[in-house]
Amino acid sequence: AQSVSQHNHHVILSEAASLELGCNYSYGGTVNLFWYVQYPGQHLQLLLKYFSGDPLVKGIKGFEAEFIKSKFSFNLRKPSVQWSDTAEYFCALNTNAGKSTFGDGTTLTVKP
Amino acid sequence: SQTIHQWPATLVQPVGSPLSLECTVEGTSNPNLYWYRQAAGRGLQLLFYSVGIGQISSEVPQNLSASRPQDRQFILSSKKLLLSDSGFYLCAWSPPGPNYNEQFFGPGTRLTVL
Repeated sequence: AQSVSQHNHHVILSEAASLELGCNYSYGGTVNLFWYVQYPGQHLQLLLKYFSGDPLVKGIKGFEAEFIKSKFSFNLRKPSVQWSDTAEYFCALNTNAGKSTFGDGTTLTVKP
Repeated sequence: SQTIHQWPATLVQPVGSPLSLECTVEGTSNPNLYWYRQAAGRGLQLLFYSVGIGQISSEVPQNLSASRPQDRQFILSSKKLLLSDSGFYLCAWSPPGPNYNEQFFGPGTRLTVL
């Protein structure tokens, strides 16, 4: 069975602080990994994705994530957060078995 | 461009009543379609997905069912709602083919069962 684990349920940061949200997955085969973001009152939308190639992927709004296969991890990072980054962040996994699995989400609150 | 619609946006229903939530996608053909339930602090739970008309895969046993009567229409139903069916329901689509791609989400339906 495949699973996704997000370790931080709620993170509170001040503006300009650095961010790292943890994501670990469990699956023995090929995976595609995603981070989605849901800003208050908006649709869930894609932040970045990893399919293959360079394990460091860059997304919108200065976010990046690194796929470390040996650690089954896909952590999300941003060097300096802004108040507008306040949102809920979901890590997700697609496999060639045709299933999508999402983590429980991390709520990020950035204080101005 | 592609768009996804869900309705209604909010719904309050009594226990034991039927349910029908509708999702339609425009601007693409033969999309993969998904129904999720989002609970606070519990992420997104995949309920059903469909790779074509009449093809439905159920992920968890539950009081709900799904149907895909047309290529770009996906319906979530129940014959008798339970209190535990309350939640936020999201429809999503992805391009046709292997389920490798990102998904595009609708605005969701907030269902309250009283």
